This record gives sequence, C-alpha cells and structure tokens, in this order.
Amino acid sequence: DQQVKQNSPSLSVQEGRISILNCDYTNSMFDYFLWYKKYPAEGPTFLISISSIKDKNEDGRFTVFLNKSAKHLSLHIVPSQPGDSAVYFCAASERNTGNQFYFGTGTSLTVIP
Amino acid sequence: EAQVTQNPRYLITVTGKKLTVTCSQNMNHEYMSWYRQDPGLGLRQIYYSMNVEVTDKGDVPEGYKVSRKEKRNFPLILESPSPNQTSLYFCASSLSLLAASYEQYFGPGTRLTVT
Repeated sequence: DQQVKQNSPSLSVQEGRISILNCDYTNSMFDYFLWYKKYPAEGPTFLISISSIKDKNEDGRFTVFLNKSAKHLSLHIVPSQPGDSAVYFCAASERNTGNQFYFGTGTSLTVIP
Repeated sequence: EAQVTQNPRYLITVTGKKLTVTCSQNMNHEYMSWYRQDPGLGLRQIYYSMNVEVTDKGDVPEGYKVSRKEKRNFPLILESPSPNQTSLYFCASSLSLLAASYEQYFGPGTRLTVT
C-alpha cells in the first residue's frame, strides 16, 4: 500500500511560470519530507526538505509547503526553467522511530521554452 | 569527488544465477540503502544499514540479501534471481540519520534484467 502518493504522473509548464508539484501521504507519523529530482540515466539528487515542525521551507527558486492536517505537501518552482525538466519524487520518513524512507511514484515535469 | 558508485551499471542474467551488485561510497557515510525503481511504483526501499554490521529490511526485502562488513561498501545479493526482480536499482548513502541534514546521495543506478 503506497504511503506516499503523487497523483500527477506528468506536468507541463511554460518557462518562467510557476510549477507546482503535489504529494500526499497517509501515515500521520511521518515527520520529515524530502524532494528529489531525477534526470534520465542518473540517480536522484536531493532538492529540498522540510520538517513537520515547519510549514514552509525555501531554497532559491524552490519552496516546499507542508499541510499536516491535510497530509499534503507541495513543491513550488518559480520561475520554472527548461533545466528543471526532470522527474520529481517526494519522500517521507518517520524520523524519530524509523529509518525507512517512503517515496512517491514521481511526477515528470516538462518546462517548455 | 564525493560519490556513490555502483557496479555493474547494466546486467542481463538468467533465472537462478546468483549475482551481486556492488555499492561503494567515499563520504564516510553511516547510513546506506538499496532501492528499486519500477514503473508506476516509484522508488521502494529494499534494505538499509545504519552502520557496519547493522542491516534491516525495507519495504520489499524478499529475494534479496545485503551485508555491511565495511563502512564504505554495501553489496546487494540476489541468491536466485527471478524475472520479477527485473528493475532499476539504486544505492544511496547518508551521513547519519541523526544529522540535521537528512538527504541521501544516490548512485547512478544498475539496470538489471532477469530472463
């Protein structure tokens, strides 16, 4: 049973506009969330993370929002650039008690020049 | 250069023939993990290791073995591969799960095909 879900397999956005990637989770004990970016033929690379004690974390063009009551997080990319075209995975962990990571199925983002 | 390396990158084998995929990291990381990526299922954790001689099952451990005899190496062993283990495998490492920074560094992946 998928504990972390990314319901949009793909997303297309014009260059310069905002990209919003969504992620839902079912386990209320998850307290740490991460986003990874993956290019073809490469391993995922870390993008940004957020702890459950926060509801927002920013790093340059990337912002992650966490809504604990809705068990939902989103990644905003502003402005989107063609180099952002990749597959994005969200991941979750119950940091205090477990050492496992649960990943979503990924969203393929295409930024159109 | 800080990196996670995996070998081989591509492997085609037959059912039942034992194989090992090696993983090595040069960052002195404590935590290492193996994942498989399948279409529509994302990344699923197979096994992980908190430190030398400490390993534990992830979400999909059946059919796999691991060992952690040295800090830098974390091989994945398929004693009797079956076609349902055809997948893209990633090794990853992290400084420590107690570190403020929690992200994992991934290797480039191993594409395994079992016929």
